[in-house]
Amino acid sequence: NAGVMQNPRHLVRRRGQEARLRCSPVKGHSHVYWYRQLPEEGLKFMVYLQKENIIDESGMPKERFSAEFPKEGPSILRIQQVVRGDSAAYFCASSPRQGGNEQFFGPGTRLTVL
Amino acid sequence: AQKITQTQPGMFVQEKEAVTLDCTYDTSDPSYGLFWYKQPSSGEMIFLIYQGSYDQQNATEGRYSLNFQKARKSANLVISASQLGDSAMYFCAMREGGTANSKLTFGKGITLSVRP
Repeated sequence: NAGVMQNPRHLVRRRGQEARLRCSPVKGHSHVYWYRQLPEEGLKFMVYLQKENIIDESGMPKERFSAEFPKEGPSILRIQQVVRGDSAAYFCASSPRQGGNEQFFGPGTRLTVL
Repeated sequence: AQKITQTQPGMFVQEKEAVTLDCTYDTSDPSYGLFWYKQPSSGEMIFLIYQGSYDQQNATEGRYSLNFQKARKSANLVISASQLGDSAMYFCAMREGGTANSKLTFGKGITLSVRP
């Protein structure tokens, strides 16, 4: 009964490189959310996706960040040309339906930009 | 204005005692949900408890209960019989707009330390 899986757990990139973060939701969940947690802060919403659709991207930076949740395979959060300010923990959550009372979180990916 | 406010400094509690973690929220939406999550030092986010704005009774889940005071817009988490494993960061979060909206807005968190 696997929960939300995220990989890698830790990712180190140099400035200007690309970072790809993967999230496999709980089996049967078709709703995925990405959040970012800066040091000493709470989580900040980035994007909400259903299979093949972006529902709400109001928290995504306008440039360099993109997300997808294809019909098959994990959801991907992609950060192009990373900068030091992108260093954070990125969490994925899933739920079985829209507006559910629970969002199950993955363990997070800790991105460090050198 | 902050949507979720958690202003307590680091909290300390003696093992086996109860502790209350404060959370106030701000919304003009009549339909919303309130959540508490625990984040231990290992970093994962663990769902603890949920309270809907229309729920008549305070939510309870084992040793966790939510003291929901709608008029005051507060949703304090009460942990009874604290255990050493309760030492962690605790985040209050809100979902506004009923089931049409799913994103959560989080507070900055409170650190709880349980003393043996």
